[in-house]
Amino acid sequence: DQQVKQNSPSLSVQEGRISILNCDYTNSMFDYFLWYKKYPAEGPTFLISISSIKDKNEDGRFTVFLNKSAKHLSLHIVPSQPGDSAVYFCAAKRQWGNFNKFYFGSGTKLNVKP
Amino acid sequence: EAEVAQSPRYKITEKSQAVAFWCDPISGHATLYWYRQILGQGPELLVQFQDESVVDDSQLPKDRFSAERLKGVDSTLKIQPAELGDSAMYLCASSESIQVGTDTQYFGPGTRLTVL
Repeated sequence: DQQVKQNSPSLSVQEGRISILNCDYTNSMFDYFLWYKKYPAEGPTFLISISSIKDKNEDGRFTVFLNKSAKHLSLHIVPSQPGDSAVYFCAAKRQWGNFNKFYFGSGTKLNVKP
Repeated sequence: EAEVAQSPRYKITEKSQAVAFWCDPISGHATLYWYRQILGQGPELLVQFQDESVVDDSQLPKDRFSAERLKGVDSTLKIQPAELGDSAMYLCASSESIQVGTDTQYFGPGTRLTVL
C-alpha cells in the first residue's frame, strides 16, 4: 500500500523554463512533507519542506505547494537549470507513537535540456 | 555542515558471503534509519532505531539481515549470507526526532552493493 505516489517517472524541461513535479498522498495523518534531490551514486539531499499547516514554502528557485483537500503537493523550479537534472523524491512524515515515520514516493527523473 | 557518514561507498561480494555496512549519524540525532533503494524505486525502510532501541524492523529480512546501534550513536547493518537480489543502494539517514512538525531526515552518501 503506497501512501505517497509520484505518478510521473520522468520529466523533460528546457533550460530557463519552469519544472513542476507532482506528488499525491493518501494518509491525512501526514503532518510534514519533504522533497529530496538525488544524483546517481549519491544519497538523497534534502531540498525543501512544508508543514501541513501551510500551503506554500519558497526557497530561492524552489517552491513547494500543498493542497491538503486534494492530498497533493508539487515542487516548482523556476528557472530550471541543467544542474537540476536529477531524481526528485517526495516524502511525507507522520507521528507513530513516540517517534516519526517517513514515507517516500518512487521518484521523478528530471532532465533539464540546455 | 554536519553530515551522515557511511562506509564503504562501494562493495562487491559473491553470493553467500557476509557483508557489513557502517553508518555514523549527525551528532545529536536520536533516530537512525537504514533504507534499501532499488533503481527506479523510492527508499524502502529496513530498520529504524530510536537511540539504541529498534522501533521498526518489520521490513527487515531477519533470516539474513541484522542491525545494531549498541551505544545509540553509530550503527552497523549486516547481511549474511548475501544473495543476488540484495544488490542495491543501502542508505543511512538520521533525524532529531522532533515529535511535532519539522523533523527532517538527512541521508548519507549510501553504499552501493553488488552481489555476484
